[in-house]
Amino acid sequence: QITLKESGPTLVKPTQTISLICTFSGFSLKTEGRSVGWIRQPPGKALEWLALIFWDDDKRYSPSLRSRVTITKDTSGDQVVLTMTNMDPVDTATYYCAHSRGGTYAPFDFWGQGILVTVSS
Amino acid sequence: QSALTQPASVSGSPGRSITISCTGTSSDVGGYDYLSWYQQHPGRAPKLIIYDVSKRPSGVSNRFSGSKSGNTASLTISGLQAEDEADYYCSSYVSSLTDVVFGGGTKLTVL
Repeated sequence: QITLKESGPTLVKPTQTISLICTFSGFSLKTEGRSVGWIRQPPGKALEWLALIFWDDDKRYSPSLRSRVTITKDTSGDQVVLTMTNMDPVDTATYYCAHSRGGTYAPFDFWGQGILVTVSS
Repeated sequence: QSALTQPASVSGSPGRSITISCTGTSSDVGGYDYLSWYQQHPGRAPKLIIYDVSKRPSGVSNRFSGSKSGNTASLTISGLQAEDEADYYCSSYVSSLTDVVFGGGTKLTVL
């Protein structure tokens, strides 16, 4: 079955750059039609879509974070990395990675457990 | 791109039905049948319960149903159970560089 898990630093200082890793199993990003996205959720607030990467390395970004976010996948096809620059306390949130099949219209059918990232000096 | 509009909270008694609305524009909800609903229990990751407006993933109870009219989508939960108490989010494809937008979320309380 499909599983995903997020990893990375849980406490970062303002202005730092963070890299979060999504390690998954049960599918490969080398397979046509698959994609992995990142979604975040500040404490007590709503979900916010951040980025999406497709099997063919096509990438999509939230317009509001496009200048700060980069999504990449490794050559093995079982990890995706989200890099976010210039972190600010408002970026404190639980960051989820999720699987999708199809285009950007496709739903996220499997989610990781999430990782809480706190931005504080 | 603004978030889709959902009521902050709804409530219902066990066994009854409730409906949660999700309002957008002709560029998102009204323009495509790519509308999904997610259920999120406290401290847990979201779970997909409806996609493509009204389709249910395998294993999701048929007490959950979805529909859409114009720029507003709806999630109906029938035969409310205590375990349905959770936050619910809608999400839509968007015909712009945004690609994906979520609603503000609705907290369901089962009385």
